Amino acid sequence: DAGVIQSPRHEVTEMGQEVTLRCKPISGHDYLFWYRQTMMRGLELLIYFNNNVPIDDSGMPEDRFSAKMPNASFSTLKIQPSEPRDSAVYFCASSPQGLAYEQYFGPGTRLTVT
Amino acid sequence: QKEVEQNSGPLSVPEGAIASLNCTYSDRVSQSFFWYRQYSGKSPELIMSIYSNGDKEDGRFTAQLNKASQYVSLLIRDSQPSDSATYLCAVNRYTIKAAGNKLTFGGGTRVLVKP
Repeated sequence: DAGVIQSPRHEVTEMGQEVTLRCKPISGHDYLFWYRQTMMRGLELLIYFNNNVPIDDSGMPEDRFSAKMPNASFSTLKIQPSEPRDSAVYFCASSPQGLAYEQYFGPGTRLTVT
Repeated sequence: QKEVEQNSGPLSVPEGAIASLNCTYSDRVSQSFFWYRQYSGKSPELIMSIYSNGDKEDGRFTAQLNKASQYVSLLIRDSQPSDSATYLCAVNRYTIKAAGNKLTFGGGTRVLVKP
C-alpha cells in the first residue's frame, strides 16, 4: 500500500510568493495532520482534520497560513505571502484513529523562502 | 517550562550497550505517550506507544511510563549502529477545547551508536 504522499518534495520560492503544499493521506485514514519542523522549534502540529473537517487549527502560526481538505484523499497547506521564517520541513501525517494513536508521516516538503 | 522536555544529546553509546532516553511532561492529564524515531533527512516513524503505567516491551525496545512522576523513558537494548537517529517523545493530552486532544512533541534526543 502507498503511504502518505506529499508534493513537492522541495520548494524554493521568493519572499512574498504564494506556496501550496499538497498531501494525499493513506486510504481509509480519517485523520490528517499538518506539521512543521525546524531546528529552533522542533516538530509542531499546525492543524488537523477529521473526516475532512478542520478540528483544531490552534497551531497555525498566522493568518498567512491556511489549510483545506476538499475530500478524503487530498489536502493543501497554503502560505500567502511567504516569508523567510517560514522556511522549514512540512510534514503531512494520517491516522485511522486520531491524535491519541499512531500517525503515519509522509516524506515531507522542504520549503526554502529566500 | 516546556510542555515536553528531552535532553537533546547526543547520547553516545557503544554497540551492544543499552541506550536510555528520558522524557518529562508538564501536564498531569496527559493520557497517551509515543516514541518516534527520525533518521536524518527522513520523516518520523512510530516505534512505541504506551498508555498505562509500567513497562511495555517490543523487541529490543522498552517504554516505561510513570504518570505520578510525569516521565516516560525508552530503553534500547543491544544498540546497533542502525539505531543512530533522533528519538522524539510525543505526549497527547486532553484539553477542554472542542478539539479535545493536543499532541506535543519534545525536541528529540540524538542517539549515536558507535561500532
